[in-house]
Amino acid sequence: QLQLQESGPGQVKPSETLSLSCAVSGGSVISEDYYWGWIRQPPGGGLEWIGNVCSNGNKFYRPSLSTRLSLSMDTSRNQFSLRLTSVTAADTAVYFCARRGRTISSPTFLAFDYWGQGILVTVSS
Amino acid sequence: QSALTQPPSASGSPGQSVTISCSGTSSDVGAYDYVSWYQEHPGQAPKLIIYEVTKRPSGVPDRFSGSKSGNTASLTVSGLQAEDEADYYCCSFADRNTLVFGGGTKLTVL
Repeated sequence: QLQLQESGPGQVKPSETLSLSCAVSGGSVISEDYYWGWIRQPPGGGLEWIGNVCSNGNKFYRPSLSTRLSLSMDTSRNQFSLRLTSVTAADTAVYFCARRGRTISSPTFLAFDYWGQGILVTVSS
Repeated sequence: QSALTQPPSASGSPGQSVTISCSGTSSDVGAYDYVSWYQEHPGQAPKLIIYEVTKRPSGVPDRFSGSKSGNTASLTVSGLQAEDEADYYCCSFADRNTLVFGGGTKLTVL
């Protein structure tokens, strides 16, 4: 059974950089059949797609975050990471990592089928 | 990239059917047959219940069904059960290989 687990600081100061990792177990991140993605949810709010990364190097970012966002993969540790610079209070949210089918060979094409439990990140001084 | 439009709330009695709409544009819902729906219970991660507009992942009851017409997708929950009370989010593939979620609908089982 595939499992994803987010890790990182629960609090970040305004203007600093938010860094999160997602460890994957029960499967490999090395696959062209999947994207590995990030989604966030502000307190009391809805879901917001942040971006996706694939082991073949493909990356897609939410346009409004593209100048501050960087996604990467560490295949040796079977994990992927998010880096968001110059954070403000508007970046306070629960951050989820998830797997998304990329090809028609994947079980659920272009949908997020496995999710981490989420990690609350608060931007505050 | 604007969020897809969902009604903030919906409700129905046990055994009834309820339909939740998800309105987009010709750059997302109307352009691609890649709409998915997620169920989120409080304090839990979202769960995929519909993908590619109408398909159900293994283990999702057939009480959940999806459809699309033009720029609007819909989720229908038939035979409402107490455990269906949750937040529901639609999501669509969009231009430039991006994704857009709806604002979410809180489903109440009366």
